[in-house]
Amino acid sequence: AQKITQTQPGMFVQEKEAVTLDCTYDTSDPSYGLFWYKQPSSGEMIFLIYQGSYDQQNATEGRYSLNFQKARKSANLVISASQLGDSAMYFCAMREPWMDSSYKLIFGSGTRLLVRP
Amino acid sequence: NAGVTQTPKFQVLKTGQSMTLQCAQDMNHNSMYWYRQDPGMGLRLIYYSASEGTTDKGEVPNGYNVSRLNKREFSLRLESAAPSQTSVYFCASSARGQGVNTEAFFGQGTRLTVV
Repeated sequence: AQKITQTQPGMFVQEKEAVTLDCTYDTSDPSYGLFWYKQPSSGEMIFLIYQGSYDQQNATEGRYSLNFQKARKSANLVISASQLGDSAMYFCAMREPWMDSSYKLIFGSGTRLLVRP
Repeated sequence: NAGVTQTPKFQVLKTGQSMTLQCAQDMNHNSMYWYRQDPGMGLRLIYYSASEGTTDKGEVPNGYNVSRLNKREFSLRLESAAPSQTSVYFCASSARGQGVNTEAFFGQGTRLTVV
């Protein structure tokens, strides 16, 4: 069963506008973490933002914010004031308990964002 | 800081050949991961290791073996390469537990082609 779902294979946004990238997840464990990563065309994986399942407030990091709706099991990434350099693949990931106090990290299929000038 | 170092960056194998992808991290992380990335499928977990001496299967372990040689190193071995294993492979590491500063750090990736 798919644990992390990103339903938008590709998206366009106009430069300087805000964009929301969707992510839903499935877990029965109360303790988990949610991450967003950016992968530009050069291929490296860049960590953007983290949200813990017990965090009371939505995470923010500069122009990135995470719209965390726990009851709906969604963790959407909001990028404000889009820049041309934001064009990239974006991955949502979830870290959940595995066994013996360890954790595993699984990813969604990604959303390709293209920022138009 | 080197972070996570993967070698090689590129490799072409013939069907049936074997090879080992090397990964080392210098951040004193307990957890290490191997992923493969294929178009439209995101990153899929092959194997991971919660600590030195332990390894567990991920979503797509068939055709692969791993070794957690020590805390720093986590290698991925293809015993008999198949064209279906053509992919980009990423190694990653992270601190143990939950909370801030537990994000995974990634290597630069290995582009493997099996012909």
